[in-house]
Amino acid sequence: AIQMTQSPSSLSASVGDRVTITCRASQGIRNDFGWYQQKPGKAPKLLIYAASSLQSGVPSRFSGSGSGTDFTLTISSLQPEDFATYYCLQDYNYPPTFGQGTKVEVK
Amino acid sequence: EVQLLESGGGLVQPGGSLRLSCGASGFTFSNFAMTWVRQAPGKGLEWVSAISGSGGSTYYADSVKGRFTISRDNSKNTLYLQMNSLRDEDTAIYYCAKRVVGSGWFDPWGQGTLVIVSS
Repeated sequence: AIQMTQSPSSLSASVGDRVTITCRASQGIRNDFGWYQQKPGKAPKLLIYAASSLQSGVPSRFSGSGSGTDFTLTISSLQPEDFATYYCLQDYNYPPTFGQGTKVEVK
Repeated sequence: EVQLLESGGGLVQPGGSLRLSCGASGFTFSNFAMTWVRQAPGKGLEWVSAISGSGGSTYYADSVKGRFTISRDNSKNTLYLQMNSLRDEDTAIYYCAKRVVGSGWFDPWGQGTLVIVSS
């Protein structure tokens, strides 16, 4: 199975900060890749698909980049509602695998 | 509006069985692959199983292969997960999601249904 190594596992940031989360695949996955946001007690929500496409309704402060093995999620200016846990997902082959998550906390 | 609604979770003893359902609305159900993902308490997301739009192709995580069966009834717009020989480690919230294969797209997700395996 393809391993997705996500970093950092947690970070502390302030409103207005630029935040970057990375995910590395153990082998090339083209751009068969997505980013998800999960808040406590809620289902995950798709933010970015195909590595860099913004899901409809998701604020433009979220962006994704990368292809192959290295991927990045950037939040350009962190807002109060963005404090959550973020997961990456590879969908290149079976089994689809998630990163271990990055918890974004208030500094 | 595209919506998914899971049901069927509950408390079951080790070795027992449970069937989860996921009702879909707001899209042409038979046109889309579907998937189940679970999340153990306080843990990350784990993919469990997937099925093609026709139901002709199914896929499983090694951790559930031979014990879980995914199926769908396109006439009822419903996805199922039959879970047999349940173990303590199957305790989790189970989510269903609509899937676009090969794009990292699992969306939307249902609200989840909690399965607790305990004696």
